[in-house]
Amino acid sequence: NAGVTQTPKFQVLKTGQSMTLQCAQDMNHNSMYWYRQDPGMGLRLIYYSASEGTTDKGEVPNGYNVSRLNKREFSLRLESAAPSQTSVYFCASSGTGDNEQFFGPGTRLTVL
Amino acid sequence: AQKITQTQPGMFVQEKEAVTLDCTYDTSDPSYGLFWYKQPSSGEMIFLIYQGSYDQQNATEGRYSLNFQKARKSANLVISASQLGDSAMYFCAMREDTGTASKLTFGTGTRLQVTL
Repeated sequence: NAGVTQTPKFQVLKTGQSMTLQCAQDMNHNSMYWYRQDPGMGLRLIYYSASEGTTDKGEVPNGYNVSRLNKREFSLRLESAAPSQTSVYFCASSGTGDNEQFFGPGTRLTVL
Repeated sequence: AQKITQTQPGMFVQEKEAVTLDCTYDTSDPSYGLFWYKQPSSGEMIFLIYQGSYDQQNATEGRYSLNFQKARKSANLVISASQLGDSAMYFCAMREDTGTASKLTFGTGTRLQVTL
């Protein structure tokens, strides 16, 4: 039981490049989330998916797209990376009625 | 909109002493949940404790307890008998229930340093 896994762990991009962050959970959770954490700040919600086939914007969605590929997987795409997107990205999941969100280990992204 | 405020950027505590980390929140929803997460230097987010807005008693989990004062809109984390391994960032968060999904709003965190 791996919980929530994220790939890659680290990534360096040049401005304008695109990439997809992958997230998968094996806990049969309905809901999945993407957060970003900037230095000196808490986590901020980018997008979330309440269930397979649905996605919704969070607090800071600009510059990102998401895909809920199936119940297990929820990907985050940066179409044209900008230095302001340098951050640590966390994926999380939760089951219906859970009082906890389970977090992945994070992806540290640097955009030059 | 929901808001979480953590006013202590950093705290020091001696080993074996108790420490309180402050958290205040603002919401107009009658139903909400409050969480504390620990983030050690390795970076992962570790769930510590949860308090529901309708829970009558303060939540406790081992050495962690949540001092929930609803009228004051505060949800302070109390760590008893601090250990060196408690040195980390601590985040308070509030859950907004949107049907089946639970969006979390986080505070800016408190860095706790446990000293000998």
